[in-house]
Amino acid sequence: GAGVSQSPSNKVTEKGKDVELRCDPISGHTALYWYRQSLGQGLEFLIYFQGNSAPDKSGLPSDRFSAERTGGSVSTLTIQRTQQEDSAVYLCASSLSGSPYNEQFFGPGTRLTVL
Amino acid sequence: GENVEQHPSTLSVQEGDSAVIKCTYSDSASNYFPWYKQELGKRPQLIIDIRSNVGEKKDQRIAVTLNKTAKHFSLHITETQPEDSAVYFCAASMSNSGAGSYQLTFGKGTKLSVIP
Repeated sequence: GAGVSQSPSNKVTEKGKDVELRCDPISGHTALYWYRQSLGQGLEFLIYFQGNSAPDKSGLPSDRFSAERTGGSVSTLTIQRTQQEDSAVYLCASSLSGSPYNEQFFGPGTRLTVL
Repeated sequence: GENVEQHPSTLSVQEGDSAVIKCTYSDSASNYFPWYKQELGKRPQLIIDIRSNVGEKKDQRIAVTLNKTAKHFSLHITETQPEDSAVYFCAASMSNSGAGSYQLTFGKGTKLSVIP
């Protein structure tokens, strides 16, 4: 079946503009994660959704970052008033449930460049 | 919160030799330790994982060991091949009991180059 998909694959924006990044998880996966991968760095946890539970937003770096997950499926990560330090690859992952033992399947990522 | 340190940051080996990547974690409550492989321009993919109630796990040429007392775990790749060249990330999972979720904290990655 189809894997996790993300759009756009690349996004170039000007400092101060807002951007929206989209994630389509694997059908039937109830858990969805957003990570940020900066050059030469590991994956930094941003936010986690599990079913209808309140999201775990503990990894969001500032209040300029927010995310939604509509209908338990598609998720959108929004970055307001983008800064140059927001430039990174944003990865989405989904897993069958919120158990830590379920494999997380990653999408191809969105490469965000803030000029 | 959890902190995961990964070493080395880069590793070059001759084809056929073994490669070892080591990680340490800080939170003794962490109980799940996956390893991901990320080829250039590709998405990370799980290659092996280990739970805290197991000391070692092997899958063909790949093995992972866990020392809970010392809070470190290692990835071992034997008989390396050029297609093993990639960035490898270790991770540790702990519960965010306040949010009712589990988070993966990743190491910064090891770039493995297998020289033919």
